[in-house]
Amino acid sequence: EVQLVQSGAEVKKPGESLKISCQASGYSFISYWIGWVRQMPGKDLEWMGIIYPADSDTKYSPSFQGQVTISADKSINTAYLQWTSLRASDTAIYYCVRRMTGYFFFDYWGLGTLVTVSS
Amino acid sequence: EVVLTQSPGILSLSPGERATLSCRASQIVSNNFLAWYQHKRGQAPRLLIYGASSRATGIPDRFSGSGSGTDFTLTISRLEPEDFAVYCCQQYASSPYTFGQGTKLEIK
Repeated sequence: EVQLVQSGAEVKKPGESLKISCQASGYSFISYWIGWVRQMPGKDLEWMGIIYPADSDTKYSPSFQGQVTISADKSINTAYLQWTSLRASDTAIYYCVRRMTGYFFFDYWGLGTLVTVSS
Repeated sequence: EVVLTQSPGILSLSPGERATLSCRASQIVSNNFLAWYQHKRGQAPRLLIYGASSRATGIPDRFSGSGSGTDFTLTISRLEPEDFAVYCCQQYASSPYTFGQGTKLEIK
């Protein structure tokens, strides 16, 4: 059974750094692109970017390029989403997603990680 | 960027009824690269439909997708109690891959 298990909720202050994780199981981690989707409060889902764990090739949505870093550690089947300096506008639920091979839709999702940024 | 507009925002129906959800794109979605997801509170979103009309693995046949170009529809033929959730469409024809704002299907 494919599972994407995300790290727990975080409460941070503006300017702090953060790295959230998504551990995959039930499939060959290096064979599928894995990525992140954001949902800000009351807003639409937004695709942020994806990474291919086999070679760390990464693609970002233009809106998120330079704002976050997506990485993966294939030795522990885990993908990461990282910020160096959080802003209040980063408050959102972040979903880990597995991309269907060859297409940019997402066949498995994690439960989501709530990130709250507040002073 | 392709903007997806879903309607209605909220749909109130009873179990056993037929649900028809709409997703309209601001430009043609090439190859009908449109997916539908179901999202229940506290659960991971679930892929229902891809390619506008292909059911994902394990999805009951009461769920069907149709449409092409800019107009797409998700139909649930006979609502079961577990079908009441938020439904969201996504286009994956062109980057950035965008989502609709969702339709909440609630029990009448």
